[in-house]
Amino acid sequence: GEDVEQSLFLSVREGDSSVINCTYTDSSSTYLYWYKQEPGAGLQLLTYIFSNMDMKQDQRLTVLLNKKDKHLSLRIADTQTGDSAIYFCAESAYSSASKIIFGSGTRLSIRP
Amino acid sequence: DSGVTQTPKHLITATGQRVTLRCSPRSGDLSVYWYQQSLDQGLQFLIQYYNGEERAKGNILERFSAQQFPDLHSELNLSSLELGDSALYFCASSGEGNEQFFGPGTRLTVL
Repeated sequence: GEDVEQSLFLSVREGDSSVINCTYTDSSSTYLYWYKQEPGAGLQLLTYIFSNMDMKQDQRLTVLLNKKDKHLSLRIADTQTGDSAIYFCAESAYSSASKIIFGSGTRLSIRP
Repeated sequence: DSGVTQTPKHLITATGQRVTLRCSPRSGDLSVYWYQQSLDQGLQFLIQYYNGEERAKGNILERFSAQQFPDLHSELNLSSLELGDSALYFCASSGEGNEQFFGPGTRLTVL
């Protein structure tokens, strides 16, 4: 069945890089997403990657996909206090016209 | 602001009651999705509608139902409410692209 797993917590020092990891089981996953949820807010799509890509970079964000191991990671360079949030890894098959399966979310906290 | 609106923002009700959550998608988006976010179950897909028709179903209880109206807004109906139904309910919409835009959510508390 479809399953997305990620660690629950990550703590990093301000200015360091944060790396949030995720694994998924559905080999038919076509789109892989990273969403951000700040306290009391809805979900915001940060970035996504197609399954035929290995890497995508968008300003401070770098997404790496290892399709063979079904492993996805999100690297946030120069982590700032505003990056404190819960980060959800998610996948969908075919297109956004499909349901999205979310991981449990990784709570990122920033140490001064 | 994603362009997706949800009302109400908060809802407090008692067990056994019925509530209706409303969602207005982004202008032009034909697909609407409902998700439930709870502490124990995480974020789960409930149901999707496309241009008024049910397209996909997830972990939606039989006590829950949804519909999408001709003006494309959607309602999620929750009946015979139980304490465990307390959660954040998100609506999302999508158009031709590959991104789902999420609303701010409705926080349901069942006492």
